[in-house]
Amino acid sequence: AQKVTQAQTEISVVEKEDVTLDCVYETRDTTYYLFWYKQPPSGELVFLIRRNSFDEQNEISGRYSWNFQKSTSSFNFTITASQVVDSAVYFCALGDIYNFNKFYFGSGTKLNVKP
Amino acid sequence: GAGVSQTPSNKVTEKGKYVELRCDPISGHTALYWYRQSLGQGPEFLIYFQGTGAADDSGLPNDRFFAVRPEGSVSTLKIQRTERGDSAVYLCASSLGGNSEQYFGPGTRLTVT
Repeated sequence: AQKVTQAQTEISVVEKEDVTLDCVYETRDTTYYLFWYKQPPSGELVFLIRRNSFDEQNEISGRYSWNFQKSTSSFNFTITASQVVDSAVYFCALGDIYNFNKFYFGSGTKLNVKP
Repeated sequence: GAGVSQTPSNKVTEKGKYVELRCDPISGHTALYWYRQSLGQGPEFLIYFQGTGAADDSGLPNDRFFAVRPEGSVSTLKIQRTERGDSAVYLCASSLGGNSEQYFGPGTRLTVT
């Protein structure tokens, strides 16, 4: 079965702290995509990153970095030097490429960054 | 360019009524998805269109739910005999197809009283 687990329901940090959001997935497939989306209070899901299952190279984009480990089925997301504007709900998603790339989302992690 | 748009942004209806939710995808995107997001949960897949046809409607909860995309662009999600349990945010997403990332609209918040 395709499943994504985000065990952290809510995290609160103080501005400038680093924070890591965990994502663990389950899939029978050998080829798949993983995604992270941000959902600010306005409600619109904003695409952050896509990762192919064959590419385990970690990625850094500004203050954001992602750690993909196939051996532990994890795709964790770290925000360095967090800012108040990072406050949002973050979703990890698994793309089922054998079924039209429909997404299986985790339940999300709400990040509160306090000034 | 313009993103995915959805109308209405909010819809309040009485139990038993019929509702239509509209999605206007990004121009040129052939793939269109509908998801439903309940409070405190991640979005759940409902239906996928490639062009005009519904390639996968396995996520529709029952036969009260139906969606169309007659010209391969705008899509309408239709819910008959609404129930209080249908209350949720309905999200539409579009993509270039294949394994591209999906771009989401702002959603329609449906409340059934």
